[in-house]
Amino acid sequence: QVQLKESGPGLVQPSETLSLTCTVSGFSLTSYSVSWVRQPSGKGPEWMGRMWYDGDTAYNSALKSRLSISRDTSKNQVFLKMNSLQTDDTGTYYCTRDREGSSYFDYWGQGVMVTVSS
Amino acid sequence: DIVLTQSPALAVSLEQRATISCKTSQNVDNYGISYMHWYQQKPGQQPKLLIYEGSNLASGIPARFSGSGSGTDFTLTIDPVEADDIATYYCQQSKDYPRTFGGGTKLELK
Repeated sequence: QVQLKESGPGLVQPSETLSLTCTVSGFSLTSYSVSWVRQPSGKGPEWMGRMWYDGDTAYNSALKSRLSISRDTSKNQVFLKMNSLQTDDTGTYYCTRDREGSSYFDYWGQGVMVTVSS
Repeated sequence: DIVLTQSPALAVSLEQRATISCKTSQNVDNYGISYMHWYQQKPGQQPKLLIYEGSNLASGIPARFSGSGSGTDFTLTIDPVEADDIATYYCQQSKDYPRTFGGGTKLELK
């Protein structure tokens, strides 16, 4: 069955870089796209960016200068790197399967809580 | 960016109908498809897809959930509401980048 699982550090120092990994199973990264979505506690989700099935990327313009998404198809992994973290980057980070055409998120990982604090 | 506006909360009685609205700052329809999707999120859990493309029920979702609307006005209906439906509901558009979500409507029991 389709599964996505995020991994990475739970605590990041201000101004440091966040590195997260999304490991997928049950589908191929060369057939489906994956998006990263984050959610501050008590607020609505925010779309961060997308790794297309063909290797192309799309980013939220609000984060584009700090964000990079890449992948390793041989390991079924998608990576997120975001630099210059601040306290308002604190929240839960999800990777999602992003359906082609209409771009809705039909499967979500369990999420990883990231706290930016010294 | 396309802004999605939802009422923060809605109080409903069990076995009654709940109607949750989402209004967008721009038309999210294109070539007959509404690029509007709905998710349910319970505390401590990830969001779950309920409705895609305005009115299509996602796999495994009970038929008491339905979606309607077009253009800039969309509705998620739950009829009848069951205890397990108490959660926060989000709308999301994919007509344009960046993909954006509403602020969520928390469904509460009267």
